[in-house]
Amino acid sequence: ILNVEQSPQSLHVQEGDSTNFTCSFPSSNFYALHWYRWETAKSPEALFVMTLNGDEKKKGRISATLNTKEGYSYLYIKGSQPEDSATYLCAFHSNYQLIWGAGTKLIIKP
Amino acid sequence: ETGVTQSPTHLIKTRGQQVTLRCSSQSGHNTVSWYQQALGQGPQFIFQYYREEENGRGNFPPRFSGLQFPNYSSELNVNALELDDSALYLCASSLSGGAHGELFFGEGSRLTVL
Repeated sequence: ILNVEQSPQSLHVQEGDSTNFTCSFPSSNFYALHWYRWETAKSPEALFVMTLNGDEKKKGRISATLNTKEGYSYLYIKGSQPEDSATYLCAFHSNYQLIWGAGTKLIIKP
Repeated sequence: ETGVTQSPTHLIKTRGQQVTLRCSSQSGHNTVSWYQQALGQGPQFIFQYYREEENGRGNFPPRFSGLQFPNYSSELNVNALELDDSALYLCASSLSGGAHGELFFGEGSRLTVL
């Protein structure tokens, strides 16, 4: 059974601090790794789709790295702001389906 | 906003009943996938439709079925509802069903089975 693990489960960060969290996935049959942000009462929103080992992607203060050989991806948020409060989900694309982690819930304290 | 809409947003059913959930894709998207998210878990893939054909299915029983229409909108049908079917059901559309395409989600339909 393919499994995607995210850690930590939840995280409280002071506004202005930087933070990062992890997504672990199977290192075989890799097609792509997706990151999504899900704010309360809204729909999940795509952040990154990563496909190549060593990929680094950036969108504003958020960036992500990918290591397909060891099966992990890191998401970094620099200078956290209140609007960054959300659940961050990663999903591993294997064959025809996305397999999702349970998410990291990020709460930014003002 | 993603342009993907789902209806109804909330509904309550009793065990044994049947339910139909609906999803309108973002304009130009020919692929729709459905996910079930139980409390505290990540979304679980139910199935995917590409140009009106099911082209992928997760580990869900046959009482979970779907349709995609010529305008690429979609339905999820669940027969013989069980208590464990209580969950948030998410629909997502994409330009293609491939691994590289990002998904555009609706806000979900929350189903409660009593």
